[in-house]
Amino acid sequence: NAGVMQNPRHLVRRRGQEARLRCSPMKGHSHVYWYRQLPEEGLKFMVYLQKENIIDESGMPKERFSAEFPKEGPSILRIQQVVRGDSAAYFCASSPVGTSVIIDEQYFGPGTRLTVT
Amino acid sequence: SQQGEEDPQALSIQEGENATMNCSYKTSINNLQWYRQNSGRGLVHLILIRSNEREKHSGRLRVTLDTSKKSSSLLITASRAADTASYFCATAPPIGSGTYKYIFGTGTRLKVLA
Repeated sequence: NAGVMQNPRHLVRRRGQEARLRCSPMKGHSHVYWYRQLPEEGLKFMVYLQKENIIDESGMPKERFSAEFPKEGPSILRIQQVVRGDSAAYFCASSPVGTSVIIDEQYFGPGTRLTVT
Repeated sequence: SQQGEEDPQALSIQEGENATMNCSYKTSINNLQWYRQNSGRGLVHLILIRSNEREKHSGRLRVTLDTSKKSSSLLITASRAADTASYFCATAPPIGSGTYKYIFGTGTRLKVLA
């Protein structure tokens, strides 16, 4: 059973370009979280999605950032017109369908390290 | 200070010693979780403790939770060089709070010297 997969693992973009980060959750998981981690810091929540729905995007910057989790295919975090400050590690985590609203355990992917030059 | 602060920020111990790290938080929680992150890698879930629990064990790990003080501690006994990593706490919000935002602490960087 493959774990959470993210690609690419490393991504270099020039200022102004678009970055698309992909996350394939574990098989059977329909909940995805995206986090951003700056060097020497903890993870900052960005967005929580279920299939075809954005449930909580309170951590997403209002501009240039968007996320989706279509019925088929991976979850995508899209950053338009990247700036140097977007350089960070972006992690996604997935959780199985649960009976409670709060999902207990998240399984993390290896992350995508975005460098904006 | 922000939700999910940990101390110490860095800890260096000898192999075989115990390592204790602490996490404080500000708001009500459903549960608190501890994760480990090796350098340049994703996070690995270690242990979860619910708001109505006070202590939990898993192998060499012992977690305590004091909801009155809004704090938790992670104890790693008989540490090994392989335990060298950053350790993060994360709090899950109460059910029905309207948010699903897990809040991670700033992390404790543990170094175990052989």
